[in-house]
Amino acid sequence: DGGITQSPKYLFRKEGQNVTLSCEQNLNHDAMYWYRQDPGQGLRLIYYSQIVNDFQKGDIAEGYSVSREKKESFPLTVTSAQKNPTAFYLCASSIGRISGANVLTFGAGSRLTVL
Amino acid sequence: AQTVTQSQPEMSVQEAETVTLSCTYDTSESDYYLFWYKQPPSRQMILVIRQEAYKQQNATENRFSVNFQKAAKSFSLKISDSQLGDAAMYFCAYRSAEKSSGSARQLTFGSGTQLTVLP
Repeated sequence: DGGITQSPKYLFRKEGQNVTLSCEQNLNHDAMYWYRQDPGQGLRLIYYSQIVNDFQKGDIAEGYSVSREKKESFPLTVTSAQKNPTAFYLCASSIGRISGANVLTFGAGSRLTVL
Repeated sequence: AQTVTQSQPEMSVQEAETVTLSCTYDTSESDYYLFWYKQPPSRQMILVIRQEAYKQQNATENRFSVNFQKAAKSFSLKISDSQLGDAAMYFCAYRSAEKSSGSARQLTFGSGTQLTVLP
């Protein structure tokens, strides 16, 4: 079945450590996105990528980094520079170049907790 | 910048009854898309319904329909014959249709409405 796989589902990190969240899709989608979700808030865009080897910052990119070396993969690294990294992270993808009509397909998310 | 407001943090509905979730948005654009997404306890976001702003006809998807009032910048979701499986967090989202260099056409989300379905 086609879809988006995020791993790990739960992750614990000590302060000062970098962690990488995995996002893999087999939908042959061109665009991929990372969102952060905090309680009582909607999703906020961290980074997005329209094609391989290209990505752009979203609204809250500080303290995060990404790469897009393969079409199927868009890993997110939460660095020690991110002041409040405890959150739920959602990866999404959409077919074709980014446009308003795109429907996003989401993964099941990763819960990151900083101890 | 666009903003999306969902003024009802929580709603409840009796099974088989109808419920309406409210959403308003603020934009200066004329062409855009509006979405309702559902996030069940599994946390995976699922598209419920989509509306193109240039279409006057309200979108419908089985038991789900919208009331799109462009002038009022309102986009409410009506769920008919509510089922236990409809219990979820519902998010309203806006996305620009205009082409501009470097723009993500990113989705702007509201803060969500938690819907409880009572048996």
